[in-house]
Amino acid sequence: QLQLQESGPGLVKPSETLSLTCTVSGGSISSTGYHWGWIRQPPGKGLEWLGNIYYTGSSNYNPSLTSRVTISVDTSKNQFSLILTSVTAADTAVYYCARRKTHLNWFDPWGQGTLVTVSS
Amino acid sequence: QSLLTQPPSVSAAPGQKVTISCSGSSSNIGNTYISWYQQLPGTAPKLLIYEDNKRPSGIPDRFSGSKSGTSATLGITGLQTGDEADYYCGSWDFTLSAEVFGGGTKLTVL
Repeated sequence: QLQLQESGPGLVKPSETLSLTCTVSGGSISSTGYHWGWIRQPPGKGLEWLGNIYYTGSSNYNPSLTSRVTISVDTSKNQFSLILTSVTAADTAVYYCARRKTHLNWFDPWGQGTLVTVSS
Repeated sequence: QSLLTQPPSVSAAPGQKVTISCSGSSSNIGNTYISWYQQLPGTAPKLLIYEDNKRPSGIPDRFSGSKSGTSATLGITGLQTGDEADYYCGSWDFTLSAEVFGGGTKLTVL
């Protein structure tokens, strides 16, 4: 079945750039009708959507983060990636990648998540 | 502040029924689908209900979803201790052009 796995550094220094990759297995990232998204969860808090991307490269972002977030897709590797610039301690969170059903507002499946800590 | 409002916590005894509400507006729930997610301690969220009231394969029929106007409800019957988790509603907001989630509800099975 479809599986997603996040990867990337677990520790990032303040003001630097957070970079994560989500690898999709058991299916193609180029499947029509699905977007691919990033969602994060600060420790002890709720879910915050960061952005989605379609395999064509078309993307949309959380308006509160749009100046700092970029999501890209590499169909040859069946991966999509997240870049978050100028990080602060407030960006410390578990970062999840997930598949989103286009126009129908649901995410499934989700990756297991990866904790990224922003600290010097 | 979340655009989707959920109670912070609910509780009930094993075997009982519980409902979790998610209140939004015409900018989100009132004009598009809602989904529900279960997050067991230390794990990733899992899709529980999609498109207002549909259950993915493998989700027992003890879980149900409904929607009326700008509010939605998740119902869980025959509560089990294994149902103790955080539950989140999610939708799309047309004003923000963004995915939105409720703040989450912690279910305690006493």
